[in-house]
Amino acid sequence: DADVTQTPRNRITKTGKRIMLECSQTKGHDRMYWYRQDPGLGLRLIYYSFDVKDINKGEISDGYSVSRQAQAKFSLSLESAIPNQTALYFCATSDERDYNEQFFGPGTRLTVL
Amino acid sequence: GQNIDQPTEMTATEGAIVQINCTYQTSGFNGLFWYQQHAGEAPTFLSYNVLDGLEEKGRFSSFLSRSKGYSYLLLKELQMKDSASYLCAVLDSNYQLIWGAGTKLIIKP
Repeated sequence: DADVTQTPRNRITKTGKRIMLECSQTKGHDRMYWYRQDPGLGLRLIYYSFDVKDINKGEISDGYSVSRQAQAKFSLSLESAIPNQTALYFCATSDERDYNEQFFGPGTRLTVL
Repeated sequence: GQNIDQPTEMTATEGAIVQINCTYQTSGFNGLFWYQQHAGEAPTFLSYNVLDGLEEKGRFSSFLSRSKGYSYLLLKELQMKDSASYLCAVLDSNYQLIWGAGTKLIIKP
């Protein structure tokens, strides 16, 4: 079984809809991250959490919110989706015991029409 | 600001050797990572350098010079499956990973 899972894997939605992307991990890591990736722009950090009570904004948090429901779960919400949020979204986890290497989920391809 | 630079695209021939460079300017340094990413897939870990010098792992090697803010990834005996993007990332003083935009490597027969 995969250590970091994301649901859904693909989603097509319309402008103005609320969308939630889910991430779960079985690695026992405290740190979790949400990134988006656009062609030619690399990975950009949206939000990150170093433990259940800790939530921090990343480089591009506007238009997004997150919830850390448990150590193993970190959800990303788009309150009112817009077309320029069309992208590939990745969840990742890390832990200082693993040299802070980030382990990625398989990604969610989101299209906002 | 924090910045990581790497070439946008490189082309190499199957069986050859290619070196992908990465230069960085970050707030502190706690290590440098290289990841491989095939199109549409998640990045996967290749190497980690925290001390100066060369780390070798099979066909892949990674070098770090902290004084120069420089790293390279060396890929030997290139195979078609090595066609991918290669991402350089630096762990800064806040233990945040700062990512480069990636180098797309195209392997030709």
